[in-house]
Amino acid sequence: SYELTQPPSVSVSPGQTASITCSGDKLGDKYVCWYQQKAGQSPVQVIYQDTKRPSGIPERFSGSNSGNKATLTISGAQAMDEADYYCQVWDSSSYVFGTGTKVTVL
Amino acid sequence: QVQLQQSGPGLVKPSQTLSLTCAISGDSVSSNSAAWNWIRQSPSRGLEWLGRTYYRSKWYNDYAVSVKSRITIKPDTSKNQFSLQLNSVTPEDTAVFYCARGGEGGVGLDVWGQGTTVTVSS
Repeated sequence: SYELTQPPSVSVSPGQTASITCSGDKLGDKYVCWYQQKAGQSPVQVIYQDTKRPSGIPERFSGSNSGNKATLTISGAQAMDEADYYCQVWDSSSYVFGTGTKVTVL
Repeated sequence: QVQLQQSGPGLVKPSQTLSLTCAISGDSVSSNSAAWNWIRQSPSRGLEWLGRTYYRSKWYNDYAVSVKSRITIKPDTSKNQFSLQLNSVTPEDTAVFYCARGGEGGVGLDVWGQGTTVTVSS
């Protein structure tokens, strides 16, 4: 089965840039989505089709995908961005989620 | 604005059937462009997709290999909702369960329900 690997944690200072990676075999051949999950809440989609932002998602969230790695970038991180982030692809008729990254803003 | 409202029991006994329902507002379970999914989340398994149902001139289902022998996802067009049944549950099925709307072509899961914590215990 397909696997997506993320770093367990990323720390960023307020106003700085956070980069969250997602690794998988030939990941660049697939569309990647990203979800933000705050404590006790349901996941919220922040990126779809590698680079697109759903309506209402701030411009500071951006995505890229090439080779074996996709990246979610938070430019000018704010305290409200502290959350768990998950990447996701569609593979072999299944949704596959990454292992998740906890982003701490401090 | 599409919303998904989940309902169902929070406690299920081992070997019994877990049943949850997801009511849809703002879209149709019979949509020709959406698919209706169930996902669970636990500390040991992380986010795990369980399966989906969707309509493309007829009804289809896709299920995760890990639960394929125990799962049924069904639409209810009269109530515009869909349901999850997971048979023969064990404590390892304890998780937060979510319903979600999905699309095609890499759009992912754009609308999620509020989540239901289900504990499997006697």
